Amino acid sequence: DQQVKQNSPSLSVQEGRISILNCDYTNSMFDYFLWYKKYPAEGPTFLISISSIKDKNEDGRFTVFLNKSAKHLSLHIVPSQPGDSAVYFCAAVSYNTDKLIFGTGTRLQVFP
Amino acid sequence: DAGVIQSPRHEVTEMGQEVTLRCKPISGHDYLFWYRQTMMRGLELLIYFNNNVPIDDSGMPEDRFSAKMPNASFSTLKIQPSEPRDSAVYFCASSRDPKGGELFFGEGSRLTVL
Repeated sequence: DQQVKQNSPSLSVQEGRISILNCDYTNSMFDYFLWYKKYPAEGPTFLISISSIKDKNEDGRFTVFLNKSAKHLSLHIVPSQPGDSAVYFCAAVSYNTDKLIFGTGTRLQVFP
Repeated sequence: DAGVIQSPRHEVTEMGQEVTLRCKPISGHDYLFWYRQTMMRGLELLIYFNNNVPIDDSGMPEDRFSAKMPNASFSTLKIQPSEPRDSAVYFCASSRDPKGGELFFGEGSRLTVL
């Protein structure tokens, strides 16, 4: 029972274009959502987060959108750069626990 | 300040052997998490501790898996006996405040069970 789902295992985008990574969740008790980025042979690192009281959070080239009614969030990267090539994990945590639940990840490749 | 330190980075063992993975969290972080990364399930939470006490071990797959945190600066994840399906990358992460969201991960321990 995967509570956080990333249905696209991979995505390929040209440099300079927009990358859109999607994430769906099933647990309505989730109230905080995060994106982590992972390079090969390294641990995941925090990228950006959003609280359920917001529908958008922006940090430089990265913007996360939250649609609570659809239980869907997305990460937009504009413009995409080759250094953004990595695996991106969506994660969620509910208000009554400290458990961070991750999705299966999406491998982004940005080509020149 | 040093980040989360895991050892070993790589472990190759034979089925039936005991495996012990180690983690040193960031000083001052009260929470410690053990995750396992596989292609099928992504980053799967195994267990987490708060102030050295196990809070939720519902993700531990079987009785063959056990985890301890004898003090604030050290934790172990043990698999006994190991099986080929345990092959994965195991991550340890620590945090001051998971509700604030940011976990700091170690570089992982890649386990291969032959």
